[in-house]
Amino acid sequence: SQQGEEDPQALSIQEGENATMNCSYKTSINNLQWYRQNSGRGLVHLILIRSNEREKHSGRLRVTLDTSKKSSSLLITASRAADTASYFCATGNQAGTALIFGKGTTLSVSS
Amino acid sequence: KAGVTQTPRYLIKTRGQQVTLSCSPISGHRSVSWYQQTPGQGLQFLFEYFSETQRNKGNFPGRFSGRQFSNSRSEMNVSTLELGDSALYLCASSLQLSAVNTEAFFGQGTRLTVV
Repeated sequence: SQQGEEDPQALSIQEGENATMNCSYKTSINNLQWYRQNSGRGLVHLILIRSNEREKHSGRLRVTLDTSKKSSSLLITASRAADTASYFCATGNQAGTALIFGKGTTLSVSS
Repeated sequence: KAGVTQTPRYLIKTRGQQVTLSCSPISGHRSVSWYQQTPGQGLQFLFEYFSETQRNKGNFPGRFSGRQFSNSRSEMNVSTLELGDSALYLCASSLQLSAVNTEAFFGQGTRLTVV
């Protein structure tokens, strides 16, 4: 079963705007990861945030984690057409032995 | 350094046949995981190997199997193919014991179509 669920399922914005995606999960976690997937290709790791961290930055990406609400958000600032992709959050299964992905948010950035 | 390599990239098989997919992880990575991605079910975990041992298996029928060799390369096999097995199969490698606690590096995937 899915551990993380992203919201919204799809998001369309203009270049230069910010994009925010949310992820909710069900059980306690040690960390949470975000990945990007360009159409039909492999996933690329974006950020890993640990359970004792509240916010993490990487370039134009900002990830927050609220363990009390079991949720995380990914903010992409000043979006570009190249950011068009699907974004997935991932957490460990209850045994901590497998990475489980949500169904993803499909982001479309138009110029 | 070279990334994760999956072969073949595309495959068309007939129902009832069997198929073997290959994954070569990044040099030095001993953990390899496999995922099935479909539009309806999303990314589903298949299994994970570390040092030739299967550590975890997802909720898939016994037709799905895999193995890992001493050089960390991994193969997965699907026997008696069904139309529903059509999917993108992704392989990921990681440096640590499990991709749960570290960055996982994904291959480009093998697109399997069953007709």
